[in-house]
Amino acid sequence: GAGVSQSPSNKVTEKGKDVELRCDPISGHTALYWYRQSLGQGLEFLIYFQGNSAPDKSGLPSDRFSAERTGGSVSTLTIQRTQQEDSAVYLCASSPNRGGRGQPQHFGDGTRLSIL
Amino acid sequence: QKEVEQNSGPLSVPEGAIASLNCTYSDRGSQSFFWYRQYSGKSPELIMSIYSNGDKEDGRFTAQLNKASQYVSLLIRDSQPSDSATYLCAVNGNTGGFKTIFGAGTRLFVKA
Repeated sequence: GAGVSQSPSNKVTEKGKDVELRCDPISGHTALYWYRQSLGQGLEFLIYFQGNSAPDKSGLPSDRFSAERTGGSVSTLTIQRTQQEDSAVYLCASSPNRGGRGQPQHFGDGTRLSIL
Repeated sequence: QKEVEQNSGPLSVPEGAIASLNCTYSDRGSQSFFWYRQYSGKSPELIMSIYSNGDKEDGRFTAQLNKASQYVSLLIRDSQPSDSATYLCAVNGNTGGFKTIFGAGTRLFVKA
């Protein structure tokens, strides 16, 4: 079946512009995560959506970053007034979280964001 | 203390040897444990899940879980150069709606 889909796959923009990154999770997956990964670094947690609960935004690095998940499905990560340090790969993952315990995450291919 | 800790490596082993990767976690109530492999420039992919104390084997991979000592390990037997990657340990806690916490990863190099 279809996996996690992210778009665009690559985005190049000028410093100061706003960008929107999209994630379409696997159908039926209630949990959705956004991560950021800079070159040669580990996964940096950004935000976590679980069903209808309030999202865990504890990883968002500044108020320029926001995310929403509409209808419990598609999610959009928005970065306002982009800075060069925002350049990274942004990864989305989804998980079913069934059976009363956490389940593995399935990752999309990521969006490579470059800020000029 | 980090919630999930891994030795960053790099860990270098000769081809055919056993590679041993270790991970410790802080949340004693954690229920689900995962190992992911990430090749350079690619997304992480799941290689093992383990939920109960003891060993779980899948081909050349064995995951070991010890909840009392709060560690989980991954053994790779007959290591191949194609196993060279970063291995990420991930733990689902008992709070926060099963939020997953990732370790920083261990880089493994298998020398031909």
